[in-house]
Amino acid sequence: GAVVSQHPSRVICKSGTSVKIECRSLDFQATTMFWYRQFPKKSLMLMATSNEGSKATYEQGVEKDKFLINHASLTLSTLTVTSAHPEDSSFYICSALDREGHQPQHFGDGTRLSIL
Amino acid sequence: AQSVTQLGSHVSVSEGALVLLRCNYSSSVPPYLFWYVQYPNQGLQLLLKYTTGATLVKGINGFEAEFKKSETSFHLTKPSAHMSDAAEYFCAVSVGWDYNQGGKLIFGQGTELSVKP
Repeated sequence: GAVVSQHPSRVICKSGTSVKIECRSLDFQATTMFWYRQFPKKSLMLMATSNEGSKATYEQGVEKDKFLINHASLTLSTLTVTSAHPEDSSFYICSALDREGHQPQHFGDGTRLSIL
Repeated sequence: AQSVTQLGSHVSVSEGALVLLRCNYSSSVPPYLFWYVQYPNQGLQLLLKYTTGATLVKGINGFEAEFKKSETSFHLTKPSAHMSDAAEYFCAVSVGWDYNQGGKLIFGQGTELSVKP
């Protein structure tokens, strides 16, 4: 079945640095990917929809300049947290619609981001 | 607008007992409904989905859910709980089947299932 790989699984870095998270569809082409943020003991909050070859669509309240999304190929979307601060610490999860661009979404294993 | 409400942030059952996790949705159009499971520090795994057709949907690991339009519900059940079922469960609704129709998922708050030996 479809597999989505997310890397890194965990990252710890100092405040002020930028962190890039990759989301790859391993055995299919994903024109549409999604990025979520999950706080401890909370549900998933959709941050943005990533479309190959075009600008991402951000949800209300999500800072575009803080969370840069690039979907440069049909198998890779990246989320860059720029000038990260402790309040950006969270669990970030990506997902992709299947090979036909349909539901259900297939999720990566998430990235635990800790900003010191 | 679509929304999902999961009743009970935490459910505890004994091993071998019935599991019932409640989900109610709100949608102005026929919804697509999903149940996902999340283990600690992992992503989400699809348990089952409802699109159209049969209202009783069977999923993996012995779980099933029934779509009841009149009650706007999509409760998740399993006849006999296993220790390995302990996890966080999320109900989700999507308006569209693909991106052109709106591929976003709206998640409920989640229900943590504990299984006692």
